[in-house]
Parts: sequence; structure tokens; C-alpha cells
Amino acid sequence: GQQLNQSPQSMFIQEGEDVSMNCTSSSIFNTWLWYKQDPGEGPVLLIALYKAGELTSNGRLTAQFGITRKDSFLNISASIPSDVGIYFCAGNSGYSTLTFGKGTMLLVSP
Amino acid sequence: GAVVSQHPSRVICKSGTSVKIECRSLDFQATTMFWYRQFPKQSLMLMATSNEGSKATYEQGVEKDKFLINHASLTLSTLTVTSAHPEDSSFYICSVSTGANIQYFGAGTRLSVL
Repeated sequence: GQQLNQSPQSMFIQEGEDVSMNCTSSSIFNTWLWYKQDPGEGPVLLIALYKAGELTSNGRLTAQFGITRKDSFLNISASIPSDVGIYFCAGNSGYSTLTFGKGTMLLVSP
Repeated sequence: GAVVSQHPSRVICKSGTSVKIECRSLDFQATTMFWYRQFPKQSLMLMATSNEGSKATYEQGVEKDKFLINHASLTLSTLTVTSAHPEDSSFYICSVSTGANIQYFGAGTRLSVL
């Protein structure tokens, strides 16, 4: 089946630093999604990407749909303590189900 | 996006009892909902796809008689964990598909079986 490799597995940074995480796939996706999950909560959609090469921002967050359609990255600029959480990438290959990465745990030190 | 309400947020039950979890789509008529299970520090694992008015589609390895799914209306899907045992303790999350290849998630249900 499809697999998503998400890296890094975890990050511990200082407040104000920029963060970058990415996902790569063994197969092509039509849609890339980025979610954030806080402890004890469900994932919340951050950004949705629909076209190869698409670059989309949501406040301090920027994500891109890779040209090959097999990868995506998420950048967070000027991190703040409330950015703490687990970030998941997810891909859709045209069927209704999503394939999830294993998550990147982000810790931000004040 | 769709607003998804999941209830209860937390449930503790005795071994052998059944537990029902509700997932409601508050502002979108969802023909398709999904049920996931998440173990600590792991990603979401799809259990089944819930289709309104028809039988759910279960992922390989998920016991359909153990995890009963009912999607009787466009706004409600339920997951019943039958004869729960401690190994069923987990975080269960539902989601709604809006048809744009996007899923919106509920807040999750923490099930603890004693």
C-alpha cells in the first residue's frame, strides 16, 4: 500500500525560530493536507493543497505541493509556544480515504 | 469546513460491556464518514468507512462484529464497541468527508476499559 515518510519525527526549538517538516510518498497524490493535533484532541486542518507546485499560506504557515506530486513540506515561521503539537501530513490519491504520515512532534521553548 | 461533534469525549467502562460513540456532522450532509483509532504517540489508523444508508467498509484486520458502525442519516454515524476488553482501550476519532478530498475530524473519544 501507499506509504508516507514524514520527517523529522520530532523537533525541539526556541520560540521565534522557523520550522520545516516534510513528507515524501512512494506514489502520486492528488491532494496534500496538513493537520495539527493537540493532546487529547482530533486533528485540525491547517492547509489543503490541490495542484502540483502549489504554494499556500495560512498566517505563519506555508505549505507546498511538490512538482512530482510525491512530496510536500510545511514551514512555520517565527514559532510561538502555542505551535506545540503533532503535525501530520496526509495524502489523497483520488479515493475517499487518506494516507497519513507518522507525525512530527513540535516542542517550542519560550 | 465541516463542523464535527463527537460524543462522549471520554468514557470508562467495565470489561464485557458495550460502548457507543456518536459522530455528528453539524453543518454538512455527510454521505461518508470515517472512524479511526489512534494509539499513544502514533498516527491515525483507519478502521472503517461509514456510508450513509449502507454497510460500512472495514479495513483489513478490523472485526466488523466487534466494532459496529451505523450511518443511518446524513448527519450521524455511530461506532459501538461490543463486549469491550482492556485491549480496546484507545483514542477513537471520527471524520467527515466533504467531497473535496478533505476530511474534518471530531475531537475524539478516549475509551478506557477496566
